[in-house]
Amino acid sequence: EPEVTQTPSHQVTQMGQEVILRCVPISNHLYFYWYRQILGQKVEFLVSFYNNEISEKSEIFDDQFSVERPDGSNFTLKIRSTKLEDSAMYFCASSQQGGHNSPLHFGNGTRLTVT
Amino acid sequence: RKEVEQDPGPFNVPEGATVAFNCTYSNSASQSFFWYRQDCRKEPKLLMSVYSSGNEDGRFTAQLNRASQYISLLIRDSKLSDSATYLCVVNYNAGNMLTFGGGTRLMVKP
Repeated sequence: EPEVTQTPSHQVTQMGQEVILRCVPISNHLYFYWYRQILGQKVEFLVSFYNNEISEKSEIFDDQFSVERPDGSNFTLKIRSTKLEDSAMYFCASSQQGGHNSPLHFGNGTRLTVT
Repeated sequence: RKEVEQDPGPFNVPEGATVAFNCTYSNSASQSFFWYRQDCRKEPKLLMSVYSSGNEDGRFTAQLNRASQYISLLIRDSKLSDSATYLCVVNYNAGNMLTFGGGTRLMVKP
């Protein structure tokens, strides 16, 4: 079964540094997402992306965050200047269509630790 | 405010038991509903969508009550492998911006 893959599985960075989290969505999917889950808390929506632009974003997704699809396969999340509170599990997801009945397929996540 | 609330548990049940989880959501304009399963430190995985008429998938039955803004999941004949956190998920808009509940933890014991 096709999968969403994410790299790295664990990223440790110092406060103030930039990080790029990478995702390869399922190949025939057109809609891409980032969610995050702080340890012990709910999974939270960050951003959705379609046709090379952001479709929706949450309040969490401020100017420190950006997303990009640099080529035909990768989908990246960049955090420009990391803060301690950015430590979380970041999940990439993709779906074939954008409608509310199109199921999301999640990657196995990148654990980001900011020290 | 768009909230999804669940009893965090844990629910400790013996193998073979039937267990039910409930979930309430705050926004009556919700579009679609799901149950996801999450194993410890893993990604959420779709268990089943929840339809207005109720639906069943093997040992799992989901119900939706729009009037009460309430969703349920029933698991029959629990297996050890059912041990996980069950996430109630609501989609409030036409896109795919999912709102997750905090999850209900299930532990099935031999």
